[in-house]
Parts: sequence; structure tokens; C-alpha cells
Amino acid sequence: AQSVAQPEDQVNVAEGNPLTVKCTYSVSGNPYLFWYVQYPNRGLQFLLKYITGDNLVKGSYGFEAEFNKSQTSFHLKKPSALVSDSALYFCAVRDMDSNYQLIWGAGTKLIIKP
Amino acid sequence: GAGVSQTPSNKVTEKGKYVELRCDPISGHTALYWYRQSLGQGPEFLIYFQGTGAADDSGLPNDRFFAVRPEGSVSTLKIQRTERGDSAVYLCASSPDRGTYNEQFFGPGTRLTVL
Repeated sequence: AQSVAQPEDQVNVAEGNPLTVKCTYSVSGNPYLFWYVQYPNRGLQFLLKYITGDNLVKGSYGFEAEFNKSQTSFHLKKPSALVSDSALYFCAVRDMDSNYQLIWGAGTKLIIKP
Repeated sequence: GAGVSQTPSNKVTEKGKYVELRCDPISGHTALYWYRQSLGQGPEFLIYFQGTGAADDSGLPNDRFFAVRPEGSVSTLKIQRTERGDSAVYLCASSPDRGTYNEQFFGPGTRLTVL
């Protein structure tokens, strides 16, 4: 079965510093990976996805993610954090064995301190 | 353009009552998904529609839960005999089709509280 792990419940970063939110996955075939962000009292917003091709994927709001097949990871990154980036971040993988459902990580709370 | 909308935004009900939650997807999106999200957890898949039919309802926890999408657009999630454990945020998402590569667009959710 496919699965996603986000090993950190919370990540704290000072404004202006680079940030990384970790995600590892387990799939039986080619991984299709997604990152979403959830602001308080708002729905999930799509940030970026990896389907194939370049291992470095660029997305919304200056975020990018690096796909690493050997480490089965898809870490979310941003070179310079903003206070407004503070939110809940979810990694998800497409479940090729179960009608293409999205399998979600538990989420990582990102706190950017001024 | 308009995004996915969900009504009501909040619903408080008593144990044993019946509730309906509505989802209005992005116009033209044929795929529609319902999820349930509890505090501190990722979304939990409930059901997926392709057009009018439920293509995958394997995530519905029991037969108290049912969903319809009669005209292939608006969907209603129905919960009978609500229990306190049903309290959660119910999320709806849509995508242009069921394509593997398509991201899903989410509504703001309905927060259901069962007293």
C-alpha cells in the first residue's frame, strides 16, 4: 500500500532563513507527489506537484520541492521564509492501487518567526 | 473564476440527527471528492465521483454515510443518525477529470459538530 510520512509535527524558522518541510513516501510504482498548504479556517491550496522529469519542481508562492528517488523523499523548500508562510503543510501521493486516491501525510505546522 | 464552495460553513447538530452537507465544484470539473479531516490529521478519503456516479466509495466509514451527485455537478454528503465521532471538518474537492496528474481544488470545508 502507498503511504506518506511527514516526520516533523512542527518546524520553526526565522523570517528570511531558508526552510525545509520533510516528506517521505512509499509506493509500488512511479510516484505522483503533491504538496498542499492549509491556512487557518481555509481550504487546502495546491502548491506544486511532481509527475516526471526534472527533480526540482517549482510551485506557488516561491516554494519548490526536490524529488529524490533513492531516498524516496519529496521535501518542500523555500530559500527565504516569510511570516505569511506560517501554515499547515501536507504532502500527498497518488495511490495507483486504489482508484487514484490521494494518500495524505499528517501535516507539518510551519511557524515563521519575525 | 469561482472556486469550490461548501455550505454550510459550520453545522452543529445533536446526536442521532440527520445532516446534509453541500458541495458546489468548479464549473466543468467532472471529478469530485469528499474527505474528512480531524484536528491534527491529514484528510481522510470518503468517496469519489466521476460525473454522476460514485466511482469509489470505499472510504465511507459505514452505511450511515451516503453521497449523491445527481446531475454531475453539485454533490450532497448525507449522514444519518449522527454520532459524536462524526465531528470533523468535511472537505470537498474537484478536478477536471480523474487524470492521474491532476491536482485537486478544495473548498473551505464544513465544520460538523455533533453534540
